[in-house]
Amino acid sequence: GNSVTQMEGPVTLSEEAFLTINCTYTATGYPSLFWYVQYPGEGLQLLLKATKADDKGSNKGFEATYRKETTSFHLEKGSVQVSDSAVYFCALNLMNRDDKIIFGKGTRLHILP
Amino acid sequence: GAGVSQSPSNKVTEKGKDVELRCDPISGHTALYWYRQSLGQGLEFLIYFQGNSAPDKSGLPSDRFSAERTGGSVSTLTIQRTQQEDSAVYLCASSPHAAKTGIGYTFGSGTRLTVV
Repeated sequence: GNSVTQMEGPVTLSEEAFLTINCTYTATGYPSLFWYVQYPGEGLQLLLKATKADDKGSNKGFEATYRKETTSFHLEKGSVQVSDSAVYFCALNLMNRDDKIIFGKGTRLHILP
Repeated sequence: GAGVSQSPSNKVTEKGKDVELRCDPISGHTALYWYRQSLGQGLEFLIYFQGNSAPDKSGLPSDRFSAERTGGSVSTLTIQRTQQEDSAVYLCASSPHAAKTGIGYTFGSGTRLTVV
């Protein structure tokens, strides 16, 4: 079946550290890939996306590259801030039938000042 | 409206009671989705609407759960005879189209349901 696996949290880093949150997927067909973010007390927001292999999505200093050969979409940021503390969800969307997005379980990120 | 609006934001109910959760999507968005977010479980897909019809109800966990959408706009998720395991945050999202790859969702802030 179609699924998304992301690293378990929580992840705790100091401010200005380098961040990687791993995400791999299993899909029949050619999915679009997303990272969503949920800040404390808020709803989910789309952070970035990539629609085909080798595309790089980027936003707010975060990046993720669609790697078809490794079926991965790892989230990276060079220098995290306290305000990046949130839960991050990796997700995929298959275009073959409907627009349903399949989410990973989320990774909670804590950034210490 | 400007965003996806969900009400109530919080609901505490007694076990065995029925509850209704409301979602008002972005104006003009034809696709509407309900998800459930439980602690440690990520986001669980419940049901998807395209207009007023529901092509995919595969995620509804039991026949106690139902949803409808009227006028291609507001949707109501109903849970009958609530159980404690129904406690979760229920999220609604909408998007301009279905079957369009690369189109992300806009989520509401959710309804936190607590069954006591």
